[in-house]
Amino acid sequence: DAGITQSPRHKVTETGTPVTLRCHQTENHRYMYWYRQDPGHGLRLIHYSYGVKDTDKGEVSDGYSVSRSKTEDFLLTLESATSSQTSVYFCAISGSNEGVSTDTQYFGPGTRLTVL
Amino acid sequence: GQQVMQIPQYQHVQEGEDFTTYCNSSTTLSNIQWYKQRPGGHPVFLIQLVKSGEVKKQKRLTFQFGEAKKNSSLHITATQTTDVGTYFCAQDSSYKLIFGSGTRLLVRP
Repeated sequence: DAGITQSPRHKVTETGTPVTLRCHQTENHRYMYWYRQDPGHGLRLIHYSYGVKDTDKGEVSDGYSVSRSKTEDFLLTLESATSSQTSVYFCAISGSNEGVSTDTQYFGPGTRLTVL
Repeated sequence: GQQVMQIPQYQHVQEGEDFTTYCNSSTTLSNIQWYKQRPGGHPVFLIQLVKSGEVKKQKRLTFQFGEAKKNSSLHITATQTTDVGTYFCAQDSSYKLIFGSGTRLLVRP
């Protein structure tokens, strides 16, 4: 498996509290992604990054923000968590050479977040 | 927006039976990737198909890309309990992947 870690692995929080999830890679890959996974919806892209300080929205970005100050770290923040954000969150990385079709994505182990 | 439809949602088979999952798109795909996620695990890349009509095999798994590059299939011959999991197709969209909703495979021993 690629060198990707996510922290925390499990978190229970209350509605209205801020939450930050961290993704750390040791592969020096350019692209990093945050997905959420819910039953019946597969994997949905929240935000992604194509370089340090370069980020863009995915299909379900409302209520989430991200930051990437270093190549190896990609943070996902829920400014004010809601129960609808209870989910499993996966980080993924990709080398994605420019001009070439999307490379393989390597996924982290996931973070299970419960918002009460 | 772009979307890949994946069917069936669930498949429950007896060990030794074959299994197929299908991925369909309304638009022409540049390529398609397949991933497997074991229960409680994370998605793991299986294969990428790029060429029209392409067929690739990995042991008991056969992957096909349609001639029009609008559909793809994954076929498992003689399923084993180790095949249990959810299989996702994913389409390339400008350095992002759009995943299908997945097919969950259950295998009765």
